[in-house]
Amino acid sequence: SQTIHQWPATLVQPVGSPLSLECTVEGTSNPNLYWYRQAAGRGLQLLFYSVGIGQISSEVPQNLSASRPQDRQFILSSKKLLLSDSGFYLCAWSRVGTEAFFGQGTRLTVV
Amino acid sequence: SQQGEEDPQALSIQEGENATMNCSYKTSINNLQWYRQNSGRGLVHLILIRSNEREKHSGRLRVTLDTSKKSSSLLITASRAADTASYFCATDGSNYQLIWGAGTKLIIKP
Repeated sequence: SQTIHQWPATLVQPVGSPLSLECTVEGTSNPNLYWYRQAAGRGLQLLFYSVGIGQISSEVPQNLSASRPQDRQFILSSKKLLLSDSGFYLCAWSRVGTEAFFGQGTRLTVV
Repeated sequence: SQQGEEDPQALSIQEGENATMNCSYKTSINNLQWYRQNSGRGLVHLILIRSNEREKHSGRLRVTLDTSKKSSSLLITASRAADTASYFCATDGSNYQLIWGAGTKLIIKP
């Protein structure tokens, strides 16, 4: 069966520090991969999606970047975090026209 | 971008009652999905309804879709405390994306 792992679950980072959140998928190949951010009490904002290795599409210009070094690995990064980067980050995978499977999320607090 | 809009934004009912949430969207779709999110957790897929379907059931869940009105509803019957969560609708957008609503926060009072 397919599973998706996202870590860490919580993270507190100082302003100006780098960020690396990792997401891996097991049990499937060539998934579409997504990074979302969710503000408290709000819906999901799509940050990046990828349909293949090295293929990254960005939806929102920002202080973050994403990479897909392997088929089932998706990484969200920042060189210098801002206070406004605080939020709940979710990784997900899906295939076109089917359901999405989500990781458990990372609560990022930038202080 | 957020296409779907759920209403109400928040709903509080007694355990055992039925809960109905609505979702409206703007563009034509191939399918519409409903998800549940427990506080501080990832989203869990509940049900997918295709544009040529009008109603779908899964256990205590019933989803309807009216493509002429660009709306969908999620009915949870005989609610339980464990149904307390936020519920989101999502429609298939362009470029492999799902377009998400802002969600309905459901509270089931014991």
